[in-house]
Amino acid sequence: EVQLVESGGDLVQPGGSLRISCAASGLTVSSSYMSWVRQAPGKGLEWVSVVYSGGNTYYADSVKGRFTISRDNSKNTLYLQMNSLRTEDTAVYYCARGPGGYYNYWGQGTLVTVSS
Amino acid sequence: DIVMTQSPDSLAVSLGERATINCKSSQSVLSSSNNKNYLAWYQQKPGQPPNLLIYWASTRESGVPDRFSGSGSGTDFTLTISSLQAEDVAVYYCQQYYTSVRTFGQGTKVEIK
Repeated sequence: EVQLVESGGDLVQPGGSLRISCAASGLTVSSSYMSWVRQAPGKGLEWVSVVYSGGNTYYADSVKGRFTISRDNSKNTLYLQMNSLRTEDTAVYYCARGPGGYYNYWGQGTLVTVSS
Repeated sequence: DIVMTQSPDSLAVSLGERATINCKSSQSVLSSSNNKNYLAWYQQKPGQPPNLLIYWASTRESGVPDRFSGSGSGTDFTLTISSLQAEDVAVYYCQQYYTSVRTFGQGTKVEIK
């Protein structure tokens, strides 16, 4: 059974940094398309970033230059390093996996709140 | 980036009636190399992560009831719920994966009339 479990969400001040994690079981992070998708309170889904099995990474314009997606193959874990956080980054962050660009497995999400 | 626009933003349908949601992309998501449309549909209920319904525009995910169907090609797509059930109340999203930078539609809220 595939499980994705996010953690690390917290209250952070504007301009601060935070790293969130997604621990995977039942699949191998290094051989999967792994993404982060976020959802601001009461709003729709916003795609954030992807790391391909080959290691290429891509980002939404709204986070490019501030966020970094990475993975630790030994821990089978996906990360999102978030720097220069803004109030508009407040959201539930979901880890998601897809075989070809769509997402058939999702975690339950971790809440990141950016506020002073 | 490809912009995905859904219509309507919300709709209310009677139980057992048909619900139709449209999704339009700002550029074609049809690949000429494999003739596939890189378009997926998701259902999201309150407090839950999204759930994949349809991929490749019309392929139903395993376990999804057959009252859900997807159609369309190029830039115009439709999700149809043939006979609305109470458990179908949710927000529905389309998503393109034609480009490495994926994008979602803004969502369509489906309610019972």
